[in-house]
Order: sequence, then structure tokens, then C-alpha cells
Amino acid sequence: DSGVTQTPKHLITATGQRVTLRCSPRSGDLSVYWYQQSLDQGLQFLIQYYNGEERAKGNILERFSAQQFPDLHSELNLSSLELGDSALYFCASSVLDRMPGNTIYFGEGSWLTVV
Amino acid sequence: GQQVMQIPQYQHVQEGEDFTTYCNSSTTLSNIQWYKQRPGGHPVFLIQLVKSGEVKKQKRLTFQFGEAKKNSSLHITATQTTDVGTYFCAGSGSARQLTFGSGTQLTVLP
Repeated sequence: DSGVTQTPKHLITATGQRVTLRCSPRSGDLSVYWYQQSLDQGLQFLIQYYNGEERAKGNILERFSAQQFPDLHSELNLSSLELGDSALYFCASSVLDRMPGNTIYFGEGSWLTVV
Repeated sequence: GQQVMQIPQYQHVQEGEDFTTYCNSSTTLSNIQWYKQRPGGHPVFLIQLVKSGEVKKQKRLTFQFGEAKKNSSLHITATQTTDVGTYFCAGSGSARQLTFGSGTQLTVLP
């Protein structure tokens, strides 16, 4: 158990819909990261927040947005869903916001299936 | 931007054989990390290398960081079925953000 909690674990929704994925980081961690992993694909970095502020942006679509709240939990909002958005979405957290010396701990992921 | 390439994409070995995965960066890295993801699981941190030419061992796993800090390797001696999974390297450069390689999926045949 990494200490990073993600909900829901599984989600099935229809195209065009909107979903929200939630993440609670490890106690004491200020950084939250979101990654997308499709079948047979690597980890695609979406976005990072540090202590409530956006720190880095990766290949995140405009239909997707995220935020980190004062209690440090984070939400990833996915809207106008398409079949290609079906993937495993990981949240990760770390103490620091930058390398080196920063270990990232992953949650168990949220499986999203768009039908 | 920074790119981290990893080969091979897939590797099937007989139990007891050795396994190596290689990671190459388009830019000099300040550090490199390795993660393992078991089937159906999430990536788990294995190790971090920071110094040029650094070599670290964890039981049957040997990690190396190249002299130029642009490449790294993970070598597993005498693989076991418990080694099955996908191994990711992840490097950070001047931007100090972590970029993951595409991973090597290891299958160990009993």
C-alpha cells in the first residue's frame, strides 16, 4: 500500500459524458501527479500540482482539467468523453515538486471505460 | 522536449535466464529512477541513480547509470517468475520533471 488513495477504482460511462476522478496523496506529500496509461502504452504524464498550484503540464487534452484543493486532495475532470479516453488513470504523490531526490508514489489507479 | 527511450518493448525469457532493459535519453539527465509494475498493479519505485557511472545492486537486480548520464540499464540475474512485470525507467533533466520511458514488459516462462 503506497498510501495514495484513488476513487473510483472502476468506472464505465458513455461517450460525451463527464467524470471526476479523485486522489488523496500520502500524508505529508504536497505534490500530486496525474498519469494516463492506455493498453500496452507507457505512462503519459498529464499534469502536476504542488501545494495547490499547477506546477507542470504534460500531454493533457483541453477536455481534461484538474485541481488540487487546500486539503491537498486532487481531482481530475474528464469531459466530452471519447472511446479513446478509456485508460487507467494513475494519481501519484511526492514530498517535493522537483528532482532529484524526489520519489513518486503511485495509487492503484482508476480504470475508466468509455462505451 | 526531453525524450526517454527504452528497449526492448517486450522480452520473454526462460526462468533462470538473465534479463536486461536499456534506457536512453535525448538529453543529459540529473538522475534516473526505475519502477516496476506488476500485471494489474501500479508502478512501484525501485531505485534512484544520481552519479555518473553509478552502479547499485538489489539482490539479483543491478542498476547502472552511464558515464555521460544519458543512459541506464537494469539487469536481472537468474530471473524468477516473481520478476514478471513491466519495468520503467524515468529520468529528469534540466526541467527537473520526471519523464517515463515506454517500459519493458518481462515475461518469465517456467
